[in-house]
Amino acid sequence: GDSVTQMEGPVTLSEEAFLTINCTYTATGYPSLFWYVQYPGEGLQLLLKATKADDKGSNKGFEATYRKETTSFHLEKGSVQVSDSAVYFCALSDRGSARQLTFGSGTQLTVLP
Amino acid sequence: GAGVSQSPSNKVTEKGKDVELRCDPISGHTALYWYRQSLGQGLEFLIYFQGNSAPDKSGLPSDRFSAERTGGSVSTLTIQRTQQEDSAVYLCASRDTGGFTEAFFGQGTRLTVV
Repeated sequence: GDSVTQMEGPVTLSEEAFLTINCTYTATGYPSLFWYVQYPGEGLQLLLKATKADDKGSNKGFEATYRKETTSFHLEKGSVQVSDSAVYFCALSDRGSARQLTFGSGTQLTVLP
Repeated sequence: GAGVSQSPSNKVTEKGKDVELRCDPISGHTALYWYRQSLGQGLEFLIYFQGNSAPDKSGLPSDRFSAERTGGSVSTLTIQRTQQEDSAVYLCASRDTGGFTEAFFGQGTRLTVV
């Protein structure tokens, strides 16, 4: 079945540091890929997405590129802010799987001033 | 509606009582998911509804948990004889499966069993 593996947390960075959160996947079909963010006390909200190979999703300074050859969708940001502190979830949507939606385990990011 | 709505936002209940959690998905979304998130943990899949198909109940942790979706819209998650380990945030998400679309989440219901 489908699965998503993302970098173990927690991750702690200083403000303005470079961020990478790794995400790799296995899927039976040709999935769409997503990054969700969950701020403290809130539900998940979509951060960015990519629907085909080599697509780059971007939003709020975050980027991720759909790499079919390495089955990866790593999240990056060049300069993090304290307000980026949150939990980040990698996910895929695959019509080839019964449930069609699979999440990674989440990565807690804390950015210190 | 404009987004996925869950109610109540917070629920405190005594051990052994039954609780009902409600989810109003985005209008027209055929897929609806329930997840549980314990403190500091990831998402635990509970149940998935897709249109008129039989729901995928494989994530329900015990027979004290049940869910229904009436008329392909509103869903209710029921927990009978609540236990302290049921304390968590229960998240609902809906999705339009007409394309490779993302899921939209509600704000969640924080359940505390005392």
